[in-house]
Amino acid sequence: ETGVTQSPTHLIKTRGQQVTLRCSSQSGHNTVSWYQQALGQGPQFIFQYYREEENGRGNFPPRFSGLQFPNYSSELNVNALELDDSALYLCASSTAGRGNYGYTFGSGTRLTVV
Amino acid sequence: GQQLNQSPQSMFIQEGEDVSMNCTSSSIFNTWLWYKQDPGEGPVLLIALYKAGELTSNGRLTAQFGITRKDSFLNISASIPSDVGIYFCAGQLRNAGNMLTFGGGTRLMVKP
Repeated sequence: ETGVTQSPTHLIKTRGQQVTLRCSSQSGHNTVSWYQQALGQGPQFIFQYYREEENGRGNFPPRFSGLQFPNYSSELNVNALELDDSALYLCASSTAGRGNYGYTFGSGTRLTVV
Repeated sequence: GQQLNQSPQSMFIQEGEDVSMNCTSSSIFNTWLWYKQDPGEGPVLLIALYKAGELTSNGRLTAQFGITRKDSFLNISASIPSDVGIYFCAGQLRNAGNMLTFGGGTRLMVKP
């Protein structure tokens, strides 16, 4: 059983650019959630995807958007990058209805905006 | 929005000592979770609590779901060097899907 994999592991972008982060969910999982973790803080919920549709959103502006594909993998897109977007972006997959024991995080993508 | 206050923010302990950390919220949760995050990794679930008053153990770890549903604590007994890391509490509401609200973390550092 493969876990949650995220790519890339690190990247550096310039303010104003756009970025796409990718996540492959754990085998058998159909729900993907994205979290932003600023340095020294706990993760903050961005949004969740289920059946290829957004299924819940945290307090993030519309320039944060996402996709889920038929194989349950997902992308997080951030437009017009700002310095404060520098953070670790975590993807978590789960199976709807299985509760928290099925909630698995990836190792994250470290985004630095300069 | 909801916020979880986690304390202490960091602590040094002697190997073999017991550790206690807690989390409080301004509002109730249906589920409390405790995660550990090692450097360069994502959070890993340690214990999940589903009922007010519930006390659950996982090896040397014990956690409780507060009766008011607004707090939880995690105890680690007989700490060892591999306990080093950041521990996060997280709360979840039943009608909020899988969304987790995390505390700010407790950084545990063990003196060998």
